[in-house]
Amino acid sequence: EIVLTQSPATLSLSPGERATLSCRASQSVSSYLAWYQQKPGQAPRLLIYDASNRATGIPARFSGSGSGTDFTLTISSLEPEDFAVYYCQQRSNWLGTFGQGTKVEIK
Amino acid sequence: EVQLVESGGGLVQPGGSLRLSCAASGFTFSSYSMNWVRQAPGKGLEWVSYISSSSSTIYYADSVKGRFTISRDNAKNSLYLQMNSLRDEDTAVYYCASAYNTDAFDIWGQGTMVTVSS
Repeated sequence: EIVLTQSPATLSLSPGERATLSCRASQSVSSYLAWYQQKPGQAPRLLIYDASNRATGIPARFSGSGSGTDFTLTISSLEPEDFAVYYCQQRSNWLGTFGQGTKVEIK
Repeated sequence: EVQLVESGGGLVQPGGSLRLSCAASGFTFSSYSMNWVRQAPGKGLEWVSYISSSSSTIYYADSVKGRFTISRDNAKNSLYLQMNSLRDEDTAVYYCASAYNTDAFDIWGQGTMVTVSS
């Protein structure tokens, strides 16, 4: 089973600051890594697929990078609506396991 | 509009059963694989099960294997999750999700709550 470890668990930042979220896989997932955003009471929303491709309608301030076992989601300048929980998910096999999440909170 | 709508959640006693449904609309359901994902209260996302478009390939998370059964009816544009031998730790919001325009879960339902409690 592939285990995804996200860090940090919580990121405290101010609007306008840059956010850098990490996701590490226990074995290579090639580029089959996705990022989701979830706000309270809502279903997750796909942000990034295949490590670096933005999903439809996702603002350019969101970017993804990495391959193999180490991945990064970057939010270049936080907007008020970006404070949420972010999950990574591997899609290298059909057992689409998720990381435990990173909460981006207002400092 | 592409849409997934779950139903069938509720309160059930430990050891009991429940069947969840997910109704799809706005796309050719029979062409896409489907998944169930759950989220326990205050916890993260957990992938539960996968079914291919033709039902020929099915996978389960270890935590539900042998207790849950995923199925679909392409004629009815519907996905199902039969949950048996329910445990307290199965309490969660259950989402159906699919890789529609990408190879990740780009469409999600709103979720249905399952509470396992005596």
